Amino acid sequence: GENVEQHPSTLSVQEGDSAVIKCTYSDSASNYFPWYKQELGKGPQLIIDIRSNVGEKKDQRIAVTLNKTAKHFSLHITETQPEDSAVYFCAASPTGNQFYFGTGTSLTVIP
Amino acid sequence: GAVVSQHPSWVICKSGTSVKIECRSLDFQATTMFWYRQFPKQSLMLMATSNEGSKATYEQGVEKDKFLINHASLTLSTLTVTSAHPEDSSFYICSARGTGGRSGWNEQYFGPGTRLTVT
Repeated sequence: GENVEQHPSTLSVQEGDSAVIKCTYSDSASNYFPWYKQELGKGPQLIIDIRSNVGEKKDQRIAVTLNKTAKHFSLHITETQPEDSAVYFCAASPTGNQFYFGTGTSLTVIP
Repeated sequence: GAVVSQHPSWVICKSGTSVKIECRSLDFQATTMFWYRQFPKQSLMLMATSNEGSKATYEQGVEKDKFLINHASLTLSTLTVTSAHPEDSSFYICSARGTGGRSGWNEQYFGPGTRLTVT
């Protein structure tokens, strides 16, 4: 089955700096890669996603890149703000049904 | 994005009792709903996948007789933890996938989670 690895597990950045979280996957059949933000005590919230026919997608301060050949995708957050502090999960889906989640990255933005 | 609700948001029950958690898609029809379990500071573990009108598919190691899942309509799925024990204490999260349109063709939207504590 699919195996998703996520790095780093914790990340601290100064407010205004950029944050990058990286994930790798093993199943070349995976074609959908969402990113979720989870705040303490809440469910994950979809923040951006990318499909395998696209190499990059941007939404304001958030961008995701995908390298199908290398089987890795990354989340980029620019101009970080304290409210960006949360746990971020990547996921890969080979079937459009089952999601395989990374282990999460705890992001802290220091004011 | 599409909205998914869960009820209750937290529940405390005594060992041996059963607890039902509801998951509703509020503004789209969810053909498939998923139930996850999350331990503190860990990732989400898929427990089961349910399709409306059919039996749920459970992941390996998940007891189907203990975690009863019912997906009776396109907007409601329920998870019942039967004969709960303290080790069942966890954060239970549902997600729903729609048929397209506003919910997208395969995005999963998560509920806010239910914190279960078994004493």
